[in-house]
Amino acid sequence: AQSVTQPDIHITVSEGASLELRCNYSYGATPYLFWYVQSPGQGLQLLLKYFSGDTLVQGIKGFEAEFKRSQSSFNLRKPSVHWSDAAEYFCAVVNTGGGNKLTFGTGTQLKVEL
Amino acid sequence: DAGVIQSPRHEVTEMGQEVTLRCKPISGHDYLFWYRQTMMRGLELLIYFNNNVPIDDSGMPEDRFSAKMPNASFSTLKIQPSEPRDSAVYFCASSPESGVVPQHFGDGTRLSIL
Repeated sequence: AQSVTQPDIHITVSEGASLELRCNYSYGATPYLFWYVQSPGQGLQLLLKYFSGDTLVQGIKGFEAEFKRSQSSFNLRKPSVHWSDAAEYFCAVVNTGGGNKLTFGTGTQLKVEL
Repeated sequence: DAGVIQSPRHEVTEMGQEVTLRCKPISGHDYLFWYRQTMMRGLELLIYFNNNVPIDDSGMPEDRFSAKMPNASFSTLKIQPSEPRDSAVYFCASSPESGVVPQHFGDGTRLSIL
């Protein structure tokens, strides 16, 4: 079965610093990958997705992610973090054989220091 | 466009009571998903529907949980009787058509069972 691992539970960065959130997946075929962000008290918002093609994908809010098949990774990056980026970030993979079901990682809580 | 609408946003009730959570998906979306989020288990898929028909309920924890989708614009998740361990945030999400497309999440219902 497919799975997603986010090894970092908490990350703290200073405002203006660069950010990289790690995500590793386990999936036999070509994965379909997503990054979602959850602000306190709110639902999940899609940041970006990878289906195929260019391995560097751009998302909203200045985020990007790079798919690396050799490393089974789909890390999320942002060159300069803003205080409003503080939130929880979830990586997810879809089970294409199971009706668009998402399997989520455990999430990474991002704290931004001013 | 209106997003996925969930009600109530917060629910506090006593153990043993029946709880009903409601969801209105985005118009035109064929898939509807119910998730539960807890600190211990993260985001878990409980059940999903396609064209109002339950497709996979393998994530429903017990017979105390039931979900229905009487029409394309409304779904309920019911817990009867409720227990303190059911306390969690419950999310509804919807997505259009089949294939690999992102899910759109509601803001969730925060459920507390005393």
